[in-house]
Amino acid sequence: DSGVTQTPKHLITATGQRVTLRCSPRSGDLSVYWYQQSLDQGLQFLIQYYNGEERAKGNILERFSAQQFPDLHSELNLSSLELGDSALYFCASSTREESYNEQFFGPGTRLTVL
Amino acid sequence: AQSVTQPDIHITVSEGASLELRCNYSYGATPYLFWYVQSPGQGLQLLLKYFSGDTLVQGIKGFEAEFKRSQSSFNLRKPSVHWSDAAEYFCAAYSGGGADGLTFGKGTHLIIQP
Repeated sequence: DSGVTQTPKHLITATGQRVTLRCSPRSGDLSVYWYQQSLDQGLQFLIQYYNGEERAKGNILERFSAQQFPDLHSELNLSSLELGDSALYFCASSTREESYNEQFFGPGTRLTVL
Repeated sequence: AQSVTQPDIHITVSEGASLELRCNYSYGATPYLFWYVQSPGQGLQLLLKYFSGDTLVQGIKGFEAEFKRSQSSFNLRKPSVHWSDAAEYFCAAYSGGGADGLTFGKGTHLIIQP
């Protein structure tokens, strides 16, 4: 158990809908990262927040957005969902700002878009 | 473009045999390098990392990796595998600078034969 929690574990929804994925980092960790894992694209970095501020951005679509709240939990919002958004979404956390610090991964949220 | 390549999608090894998983990177300068392991249904766990210095790095679970600048490689090794090592292994790199996150290879699926 990494100490990172993600809810829900599974999510099934329809095209065009909007969903919110939630992540609680390890106690004391200030950085939260979001990743998407799909069969065709592999594991891709989406976005990083550090202490409430956006720190780094990867291949995140404009239909996706994220935020980190004062209690340091984070939410990833996915809107206008398409079939291709079906994937496993991971959250990770680390103590510091730089991405070279060890990242602790949650168990993931599996999103299925029908 | 920066990239990480894992040439082997699947590798099958007999229990007790040695293991080497290959990883090559394409970056302008030597990046920070990592190996992560993903067990079925779980998030990723860091095995080891290389920043600088000694080119042979030791990690958890008896794994080690060797950095070879001349070959742009960071191969993962284990002298004797156990059935519990069956998992997906990801090589990752980070260029530094803070604008982006980790770049992952596509992963190598390790199968252990009894």
